[in-house]
Amino acid sequence: GEDVEQSLFLSVREGDSSVINCTYTDSSSTYLYWYKQEPGAGLQLLTYIFSNMDMKQDQRLTVLLNKKDKHLSLRIADTQTGDSAIYFCAEPTGANNLFFGTGTRLTVIP
Amino acid sequence: EADIYQTPRYLVIGTGKKITLECSQTMGHDKMYWYQQDPGMELHLIHYSYGVNSTEKGDLSSESTVSRIRTEHFPLTLESARPSHTSQYLCASSEFGGEETQYFGPGTRLLVL
Repeated sequence: GEDVEQSLFLSVREGDSSVINCTYTDSSSTYLYWYKQEPGAGLQLLTYIFSNMDMKQDQRLTVLLNKKDKHLSLRIADTQTGDSAIYFCAEPTGANNLFFGTGTRLTVIP
Repeated sequence: EADIYQTPRYLVIGTGKKITLECSQTMGHDKMYWYQQDPGMELHLIHYSYGVNSTEKGDLSSESTVSRIRTEHFPLTLESARPSHTSQYLCASSEFGGEETQYFGPGTRLLVL
């Protein structure tokens, strides 16, 4: 079955880059996703990457995909206090649902 | 911006009460989902639906039930609430096919005393 693993916590200083890592199990996944959850809110799609891409950049966000190692990362440049949130990596399941990782709580220190 | 709504946002209720958590979306999405989110963050899929009159159980066993009589509405019901049901419940919807982006509601935080 699916398994998506992330480290639970990450702290960075404001202005530094944050890198959130994720490993997944299903090599047939067509898309991989990053979602953000702010306190007291639902999840919000941040970005996704198609499996035939190695990298996707969207403003301050860079997604890197290493299919060989089944490793996905999200880099946030110039991290701001508003980036403090929980970040979830997700991969599709056989039933066309999404399986979410454990989430990484990013804390940005002013 | 996603148009998916959940009510109530917060609910405190006594053991044994019947409750229904409401979820509505105005995007015409076929697929809808209910997730239970632990205090420690993990999301668990408890129910989903492919469309009207379709309901499926998710990865995590749940004592709740769901119905899908209208495309836009996917309520979740607990017949007899217990303290172990205390959690945050998140509803989501997506188009069927394509990249399967899910849009989430704001969640209902349930406390059963």
